[in-house]
Amino acid sequence: AVQLVESGGGLVQPKESLKISCAASGFTFSNAAMYWVRQAPGKGLEWVARIRTKPNNYATYYADSVKGRFTISRDDSKSMVYLQMDNLKTEDTAMYYCTRSPFDYWGQGVMVTVSS
Amino acid sequence: DVVMTQTPVSLSLAIGQPASISCKSSQSLLGTSGKTFLNWILQRPGQSPKRLIYQVSKLYSEVPDRFSGSGSETEFTLKISRVEAEDLGVYYCWQGTHFPYTFGAGTKLELK
Repeated sequence: AVQLVESGGGLVQPKESLKISCAASGFTFSNAAMYWVRQAPGKGLEWVARIRTKPNNYATYYADSVKGRFTISRDDSKSMVYLQMDNLKTEDTAMYYCTRSPFDYWGQGVMVTVSS
Repeated sequence: DVVMTQTPVSLSLAIGQPASISCKSSQSLLGTSGKTFLNWILQRPGQSPKRLIYQVSKLYSEVPDRFSGSGSETEFTLKISRVEAEDLGVYYCWQGTHFPYTFGAGTKLELK
């Protein structure tokens, strides 16, 4: 069965950094584009970042709201996808979900809280 | 970016009643492949989203056939023939035709 398990969330102060991870299993990870999608408390879903596969040169894409601050990466040998979040802002507070293309499987989410 | 507009915002229904949710896009979702990448997901209270329907009307294998999807171009509908307790939660439409993929704001289905 497909599983996506996020980890690494927590409470940080504004301008600090945090790296969250997603461990994938149950499918051929190297063949799947991967995404991070977030959900602020009581709000809807917002796409954050996307990373394509090796044949697509691991191309990355970011929502305007995080461009220049967040970096998505992957390690196909470990079936892992990461989101490095720098210069965090209070508005980045959200549940962060790892999901594979085409959003057919989602992890349980990891909470990131940015507050002073 | 493509704007996805869902109505109603919330729906209060009794078990056994039918449900209908509308989703409209600001651009046609018919792709160059001839496919329309309009999809539906359900987020039950306290859970992560779960897949329901892809390419307008195709149900994932685990989804009960009381769910159905229809529509074309810019107007789409999710229907539940008879609501059951496990159907409660927030329904989101999302489009995968134009990047960045975008979500509707959600429709909350509650029990009356």
